[in-house]
Amino acid sequence: DGGITQSPKYLFRKEGQNVTLSCEQNLNHDAMYWYRQDPGQGLRLIYYSQIVNDFQKGDIAEGYSVSREKKESFPLTVTSAQKNPTAFYLCASSTQTGGAVDTQYFGPGTRLTVL
Amino acid sequence: AQSVAQPEDQVNVAEGNPLTVKCTYSVSGNPYLFWYVQYPNRGLQFLLKYITGDNLVKGSYGFEAEFNKSQTSFHLKKPSALVSDSALYFCAVRAMDTGRRALTFGSGTRLQVQP
Repeated sequence: DGGITQSPKYLFRKEGQNVTLSCEQNLNHDAMYWYRQDPGQGLRLIYYSQIVNDFQKGDIAEGYSVSREKKESFPLTVTSAQKNPTAFYLCASSTQTGGAVDTQYFGPGTRLTVL
Repeated sequence: AQSVAQPEDQVNVAEGNPLTVKCTYSVSGNPYLFWYVQYPNRGLQFLLKYITGDNLVKGSYGFEAEFNKSQTSFHLKKPSALVSDSALYFCAVRAMDTGRRALTFGSGTRLQVQP
């Protein structure tokens, strides 16, 4: 899991609540990513950010929001608009050097359960 | 659009025998290919990647993968399986000539190594 931390490890949410998942990295990586993992479906991209103060929607961004105010931090908010938020959420980061193929390194994940 | 197929949900192998976990991909242009491993309730750990050059890539923990451009495959292999190799394995792809650096993942293959 390296220098990427995610908190909390487990999170329980009531229907209609917004919750924020934390992701911090000390690897000096420029790019950060949020993925959602559901059983049998692999990982799907929610949002990604290649530089501070900029981010792009991934394949399943509806019902989620992010911010990237600091290089080290990329928090994910799961809003009440997300219809089925129960899943395992993984944050990743990578370098953004122009000529290199950046490997993504993952945090330990947050398991979100809607009650 | 890019995609990854891992045709086997589960692979069973006896300890000491060789193992293969299959992966095929679809991408416009040349691919960057990755293998990751996930242990229960943990993040993904990087195993190896193919960028260019030698079709046989060696990675962590004795794993290797063979890139086959004509068959669009990137199968993961290990000459002698260990019980501790039992985990969930993900193949991922990114097109070489794209501004989007996020990966597209397969659905995962569970490897079960029997003692």
